[in-house]
Amino acid sequence: NAGVTQTPKFRVLKTGQSMTLLCAQDMNHEYMYWYRQDPGMGLRLIHYSVGEGTTAKGEVPDGYNVSRLKKQNFLLGLESAAPSQTSVYFCASSYGTLAKNIQYFGAGTRLSVL
Amino acid sequence: AQKITQTQPGMFVQEKEAVTLDCTYDTSDQSYGLFWYKQPSSGEMIFLIYQGSYDEQNATEGRYSLNFQKARKSANLVISASQLGDSAMYFCAMREAAAYNTDKLIFGTGTRLQVFP
Repeated sequence: NAGVTQTPKFRVLKTGQSMTLLCAQDMNHEYMYWYRQDPGMGLRLIHYSVGEGTTAKGEVPDGYNVSRLKKQNFLLGLESAAPSQTSVYFCASSYGTLAKNIQYFGAGTRLSVL
Repeated sequence: AQKITQTQPGMFVQEKEAVTLDCTYDTSDQSYGLFWYKQPSSGEMIFLIYQGSYDEQNATEGRYSLNFQKARKSANLVISASQLGDSAMYFCAMREAAAYNTDKLIFGTGTRLQVFP
């Protein structure tokens, strides 16, 4: 029962470095999401995708890019990391447009930018 | 304005007692969904319970129940017979009707629950 898998689990970057976070789901979900979690702020949506080949901006998209080349994968990229991007990143997926549509989350990636 | 408000940063409860975690929401939509998630210290987000705005009865899932008061726009989570393993952060979230085609959730800031023996 893999569900939603995020890699890596931890990463330390220097300011200006780039990296890609990978999210993979094996539930054949149409929708996928990237959130960031910061202390006292809950989860905020960065980008999302409603299907293969489509992406859209969420609440806090600046400094991030995403790609959804395959239905099961959703990549989050940081082209030039900044200390403000130190956070815990969560990927989630769901079936799509149903009222009771549960989002299933990965275990998170803890990123520190020095 | 905050769409989801969780006013209790932290709560303590003794094992085997019941506890209520508060959540109020703000929306002008008639159709919306409310969710609760649990985040233990290991970090993952675990879905607990869902309440639709048109659901006539309060949702229940095992020891979890949702006290839904539509007129007051509140969706409090009730955990009965608390266990040590219930110690975690709890997040309330909402999906509005306008977001149904994107399934976007809005999260509150969370309540940290600590269960003591």
